[in-house]
Amino acid sequence: GNSVTQMEGPVTLSEEAFLTINCTYTATGYPSLFWYVQYPGEGLQLLLKATKADDKGSNKGFEATYRKETTSFHLEKGSVQVSDSAVYFCAPMVTGGGNKLTFGTGTQLKVEL
Amino acid sequence: GAGVSQSPSNKVTEKGKDVELRCDPISGHTALYWYRQSLGQGLEFLIYFQGNSAPDKSGLPSDRFSAERTGGSVSTLTIQRTQQEDSAVYLCASSSQGSAGNTIYFGEGSWLTVV
Repeated sequence: GNSVTQMEGPVTLSEEAFLTINCTYTATGYPSLFWYVQYPGEGLQLLLKATKADDKGSNKGFEATYRKETTSFHLEKGSVQVSDSAVYFCAPMVTGGGNKLTFGTGTQLKVEL
Repeated sequence: GAGVSQSPSNKVTEKGKDVELRCDPISGHTALYWYRQSLGQGLEFLIYFQGNSAPDKSGLPSDRFSAERTGGSVSTLTIQRTQQEDSAVYLCASSSQGSAGNTIYFGEGSWLTVV
């Protein structure tokens, strides 16, 4: 079956620090890869996605590159802001596997001034 | 509406009672999902509807849980004889079609508390 391993949180950073949240996955077939974000008190929102190997998804200064050889999709941002404080979820989706997202446990990010 | 709509947003129920949670997906979306988010746990897949195909019920935790989707649109998740461990946020999501790569859009969830 499909599974996701994310780095455990909470991750606490100072504003303008560099962020990396590691994500590795196992999946049958050739998945598309997603990062979702959940801000405090809000629902899950798509942050970015990549549908094939070596693709880079990007949004709001965040980036993640689909690395098929290492089955990874690490999330990065060069300079975080307090408003980036949220829980981040990595999720592969495989066609034929029910087209459902398999979520990791999520990584909480706290950004302080 | 513009997004996935869920109701109620909050529900407190007594142990042993039945509850129904409703989801109104984005108009035109053929795929509909239910997930559960428990405190300290990740997001757990429950059930998936795609068009007129038989639903994928592989994530339902017990036979107390069931879901239906009427007319290919609105869905209801029913939990019978609720238990305290059913307390969680129940998230509904939809996408334009059930293909890998299509973005899945989530509602804000129904927070269920069983006392």
